[in-house]
Amino acid sequence: DTGVSQNPRHKITKRGQNVTFRCDPISEHNRLYWYRQTLGQGPEFLTYFQNEAQLEKSRLLSDRFSAERPKGSFSTLEIQRTEQGDSAMYLCASSSSALAHYSPLHFGNGTRLTVT
Amino acid sequence: AQTVTQSQPEMSVQEAETVTLSCTYDTSENNYYLFWYKQPPSRQMILVIRQEAYKQQNATENRFSVNFQKAAKSFSLKISDSQLGDTAMYFCALGAGNTPLVFGKGTRLSVIA
Repeated sequence: DTGVSQNPRHKITKRGQNVTFRCDPISEHNRLYWYRQTLGQGPEFLTYFQNEAQLEKSRLLSDRFSAERPKGSFSTLEIQRTEQGDSAMYLCASSSSALAHYSPLHFGNGTRLTVT
Repeated sequence: AQTVTQSQPEMSVQEAETVTLSCTYDTSENNYYLFWYKQPPSRQMILVIRQEAYKQQNATENRFSVNFQKAAKSFSLKISDSQLGDTAMYFCALGAGNTPLVFGKGTRLSVIA
């Protein structure tokens, strides 16, 4: 169990640019979640996958955001035409589906995005 | 909709003392799970403890225990014999209605030597 890995750890980009983050979950976990965390707030749900299927997206996820999980392994989260309000920590977590959403989540270290 | 409220933005405790972090929640579901997660500075978030709503017995994990008051929709975390390594953000989370976890805003706990 090597844990959940996220890359890059930090990303600084100019407004209007596209960015892509990667998450490698724990290998035997079939559920993968993306959360966003801003300063002084708890994590806010963005989207989740069971295997390769994206099953739910939050209203927070505007059409500039897209996530994929090809082959049910790693996942990518892309933000197009970034805005300053996108600056946040993007957290990835994985879990088994034994208890649906209530299996313990294993989080990565996050990708901190700064949009200038 | 599910909501989680943590009313203590910051707390501090002396090493070896006991501290209690508060959490209240709201849901219309009868079956749900409650969690406390810990996020140490610059480190990943980890699960501290989990409580199933249908279980009346309060969950315990070593120095960590909860006081689950279902009627009051209250779920507090007690940390006994606080250690410097307990310094972290603590998030209360609710899982209900087959929806992803909803987190509170967190409580920043500082353990002072």
